[in-house]
Amino acid sequence: NAGVTQTPKFQVLKTGQSMTLQCAQDMNHNSMYWYRQDPGMGLRLIYYSASEGTTDKGEVPNGYNVSRLNKREFSLRLESAAPSQTSVYFCASSERVEQYFGPGTRLTVT
Amino acid sequence: DQQVKQNSPSLSVQEGRISILNCDYTNSMFDYFLWYKKYPAEGPTFLISISSIKDKNEDGRFTVFLNKSAKHLSLHIVPSQPGDSAVYFCAASPYGTSGTYKYIFGTGTRLKVLA
Repeated sequence: NAGVTQTPKFQVLKTGQSMTLQCAQDMNHNSMYWYRQDPGMGLRLIYYSASEGTTDKGEVPNGYNVSRLNKREFSLRLESAAPSQTSVYFCASSERVEQYFGPGTRLTVT
Repeated sequence: DQQVKQNSPSLSVQEGRISILNCDYTNSMFDYFLWYKKYPAEGPTFLISISSIKDKNEDGRFTVFLNKSAKHLSLHIVPSQPGDSAVYFCAASPYGTSGTYKYIFGTGTRLKVLA
């Protein structure tokens, strides 16, 4: 039982490049989330998905797209990376009140 | 405008003593409050939650208190252990439809438990 897994763990991109962050959970949760954490700040919600086939914007969605591929997987795509997107990205899932987080992806955009 | 605030960036406590971490919020629509612990290079780990209909919830060494009139919650850790040294985040959300909760996180408090 791996919980929430994220790939890759680290990534360096040049400005304008694109990439997809992958997230999968094996807890059969309906809801999944993407957050970013910047130094000295709390986690901020980028996008979430209440169930397979649905997605919705969170607090900071600009510059990102998401896909809820199936109940297990929820990916985050950066179409044209910018230095302001340098951050640590966390995926989470939930069935009720508490959310369970993956280990994070550290992304640097130069 | 920060809706969830943790005004103490850091806290040091002797092993065996009580650690008290504080969190203030501004939105009276928040219904659920969570505390997370985070070690470096790891994801946050869920610790304990409380709903707005309660004023206290306990789980082992961890107790969360909620004062709705003051819009304040606190996490008590008794007794504190060196392994508790981590960054602690509080988070708050309105009631979630379809089991989906959109949490607002505080900026965290770094707890150091001294042996």
